[in-house]
Amino acid sequence: GAVVSQHPSWVICKSGTSVKIECRSLDFQATTMFWYRQFPKQSLMLMATSNEGSKATYEQGVEKDKFLINHASLTLSTLTVTSAHPEDSSFYICSARRVNEKLFFGSGTQLSVL
Amino acid sequence: DAKTTQPTSMDCAEGRAANLPCNHSTISGNEYVYWYRQIHSQGPQYIIHGLKNNETNEMASLIITEDRKSSTLILPHATLRDTAVYYCIVRVGRKGSGTYKYIFGTGTRLKVLA
Repeated sequence: GAVVSQHPSWVICKSGTSVKIECRSLDFQATTMFWYRQFPKQSLMLMATSNEGSKATYEQGVEKDKFLINHASLTLSTLTVTSAHPEDSSFYICSARRVNEKLFFGSGTQLSVL
Repeated sequence: DAKTTQPTSMDCAEGRAANLPCNHSTISGNEYVYWYRQIHSQGPQYIIHGLKNNETNEMASLIITEDRKSSTLILPHATLRDTAVYYCIVRVGRKGSGTYKYIFGTGTRLKVLA
């Protein structure tokens, strides 16, 4: 099956620094990628939809200047958490969709901001 | 956006069928229902999806009511490895863009008992 690779698996950073998370579709071209956020014992919350070559579409309540999304190619989308604070600590998961197919998810990134 | 509601948790005896319900009473006519499961701190894994008709694959069966307001995921012979959180998801179209987003429900924590 299709593989979506997410890197890093976990990251610890100091408050005020920025963190970049990469999401790659390894064996298919993904015109659309999605970024989700998950707090402990909660469901996945859609943050934004990333479309190759265009601006991301953010869900209501998600700060686009804080969560920068870049989808520069058909196989790579990045999420940068800028000026991270402890409340940004969460599990971030990306997913990619091949045309007319289901979503494939990455393994997630656990972000801890000290 | 169409929302889904699911029971918080369920137990099932090993070897028996697990029936997981989902309510999606506000679903629109062209919105698909997807089921994914998530094992602790991993990315969600695809199980099955459908629009109107019942579906079956090697993992599970999906029964959708005629009015499409609810569905049931059936794991025919649950094993201990099926212990996970099961999410019922509606694929929602974005008006005027031809794109979609996938909205997760609250999930059901299924525990398969030996």
